[in-house]
Amino acid sequence: GNSVTQMEGPVTLSEEAFLTINCTYTATGYPSLFWYVQYPGEGLQLLLKATKADDKGSNKGFEATYRKETTSFHLEKGSVQVSDSAVYFCALRGEMKTSYDKVIFGPGTSLSVIP
Amino acid sequence: KAGVTQTPRYLIKTRGQQVTLSCSPISGHRSVSWYQQTPGQGLQFLFEYFSETQRNKGNFPGRFSGRQFSNSRSEMNVSTLELGDSALYLCASSSGQGLAGANVLTFGAGSRLTVL
Repeated sequence: GNSVTQMEGPVTLSEEAFLTINCTYTATGYPSLFWYVQYPGEGLQLLLKATKADDKGSNKGFEATYRKETTSFHLEKGSVQVSDSAVYFCALRGEMKTSYDKVIFGPGTSLSVIP
Repeated sequence: KAGVTQTPRYLIKTRGQQVTLSCSPISGHRSVSWYQQTPGQGLQFLFEYFSETQRNKGNFPGRFSGRQFSNSRSEMNVSTLELGDSALYLCASSSGQGLAGANVLTFGAGSRLTVL
């Protein structure tokens, strides 16, 4: 079946540091890929998405590129802020020709940004 | 417009009891998905309902069940509660139709269940 693997952390960075959170997946065909973020005490929010190979999703300074050849969707940000401290989840929705597949999530990566 | 609303936000039950959680999706959304979130297992998919029919199902025992009403509101029920059922239960809604990749999930804040 489909699966998502990501570095679990926790990751601790200083403000303005560069962030990379690795995400790789296993799925047939062309799944849709997502990054969600969960702030303390809240539900998950969509951060960005990509629906086909070589698509780049971006939002709030975060970027991720759908790499079919390496089955990866790594999350990056050039300069993190304290307010970026949260848990980040990589997710995919499998490709189905006639219906919808479920969305599955990686284990999440906890990020702490210190001033 | 209003977001996804889950009730109750917190509840405490004892082993052997049952619990019902409720989820009101975003207006116009016809798909509701349920997830269990625990520190050890992360986010585990329970089931998805679309237009009152279960469309997808995860690998949970039959004690976990759900349903969806004609107004798209959904409930999930857990019977014969076990200590291991303590978790944050998250509900997410989406339109459930159109391009799959555009069908992003919008989550509620969750219902935190503690089983004693």
